[in-house]
Amino acid sequence: GAGVSQSPRYKVAKRGQDVALRCDPISGHVSLFWYQQALGQGPEFLTYFQNEAQLDKSGLPSDRFFAERPEGSVSTLKIQRTQQEDSAVYLCASSAPGQDLWSNQPQHFGDGTRLSIL
Amino acid sequence: DAKTTQPNSMESNEEEPVHLPCNHSTISGTDYIHWYRQLPSQGPEYVIHGLTSNVNNRMASLAIAEDRKSSTLILHRATLRDAAVYYCILRASNFGNEKLTFGTGTRLTIIP
Repeated sequence: GAGVSQSPRYKVAKRGQDVALRCDPISGHVSLFWYQQALGQGPEFLTYFQNEAQLDKSGLPSDRFFAERPEGSVSTLKIQRTQQEDSAVYLCASSAPGQDLWSNQPQHFGDGTRLSIL
Repeated sequence: DAKTTQPNSMESNEEEPVHLPCNHSTISGTDYIHWYRQLPSQGPEYVIHGLTSNVNNRMASLAIAEDRKSSTLILHRATLRDAAVYYCILRASNFGNEKLTFGTGTRLTIIP
């Protein structure tokens, strides 16, 4: 079956431009996560949705970062007025509900969007 | 989330077993131990998880120490495709603790 799909795969933008990154989760997965991965580091949590509700946005580094999931499926991560330090791979993951409510279900990751800010 | 400690890198010969260690001395009673791996230019991939008992699946085995302060991911017969960064992650079982907290992981190199 189809996995998590992210687009674009690569994005180059000039400093100060706005960018939008898209995530199509696995069908039926109610939980959706965004992570940021700097070169040589492990992924770092940005934000989490359960259906359309954004339950945790504690990892968003600044108010220039905004995520939405209006219909509980596709999600968009938007970065306004991009800066060089925003250059990273942005990963999206989704997971399905499990027997013990939401915990400990595997997260399924897309291959990410590599964002380069010039 | 409680912290895990892993070696930065390991090497193993192809077709031999690989034991990847992880220390988590501050683990709480409700923390599950998860392993993910990340192949080059790909997103992380779930490998296995467990709570107290050893676990086996088609990809690997997870051996958990009796005091739960350490665990070992076992790849029974390494192939070149197993070359990746392996992350050991503790994840609370409470509702709302959904996110994964990655460290820097262990970079596994397979020698042909």
